[in-house]
Amino acid sequence: DIQMTQSPSTLSASVGDRVTITCRASQSVQTYLAWYQQKSGKAPRLLIYKASTLESGVPSRFSGSGFGTEFTLTISSLQPDDFATYYCQNYNSDSRTFGQGTKVDI
Amino acid sequence: QVLLQESGPGLVKPSDTLSLTCYVSGVSMTTHPWGWIRQPPGEGLEFIGYIHGNGRADYNPSLKSRATMSIDTSKSQFSLRLISVTAADTAVYYCARFRQGEYYNPFDNWGQGTLITVSS
Repeated sequence: DIQMTQSPSTLSASVGDRVTITCRASQSVQTYLAWYQQKSGKAPRLLIYKASTLESGVPSRFSGSGFGTEFTLTISSLQPDDFATYYCQNYNSDSRTFGQGTKVDI
Repeated sequence: QVLLQESGPGLVKPSDTLSLTCYVSGVSMTTHPWGWIRQPPGEGLEFIGYIHGNGRADYNPSLKSRATMSIDTSKSQFSLRLISVTAADTAVYYCARFRQGEYYNPFDNWGQGTLITVSS
């Protein structure tokens, strides 16, 4: 079973900061990697798929990179609307495993 | 616009069967797989399983022995049954659509979620 590990678990940042979140897979997932944003009490929102492709309507300050076992989500200039929890997901395994989440707060 | 809406009992007794339905509007159900994901209070996301409009279904190995999904494309709905529930099944349950028709895709449209509590 593929395990997905995110770091850090919590990240404190300010508006305008460049933020990077890392996701590591226990074995290669090629580019079958997605990133989601979840705000409190809401459903997750798809941000990035195929490791680096921006979903339609997602601001260009979000970007993703990586291949195999190591991936990053970068927010180039943090905005007030970006304070949320972010999850990575591998989607080519039977368990479609999510990472444990990274909370971005002030 | 794709809209998904979960419907469930809210409260289920331990050892009972949980039944949930997801109502879909704005799109045909025959072109994409549809899935269920859950999130225990204060915790992360767990994939439960998916079903396609052609009836093909598959499940997270951790839940495969207890979960069954079905679909009725004529009524634009799909369902989840989870047997022998325990307190560990307490969670917000989301239904969602795969981004494209292939099975290896993320979820691009989600319902708002429904909280299911397992308690006597």
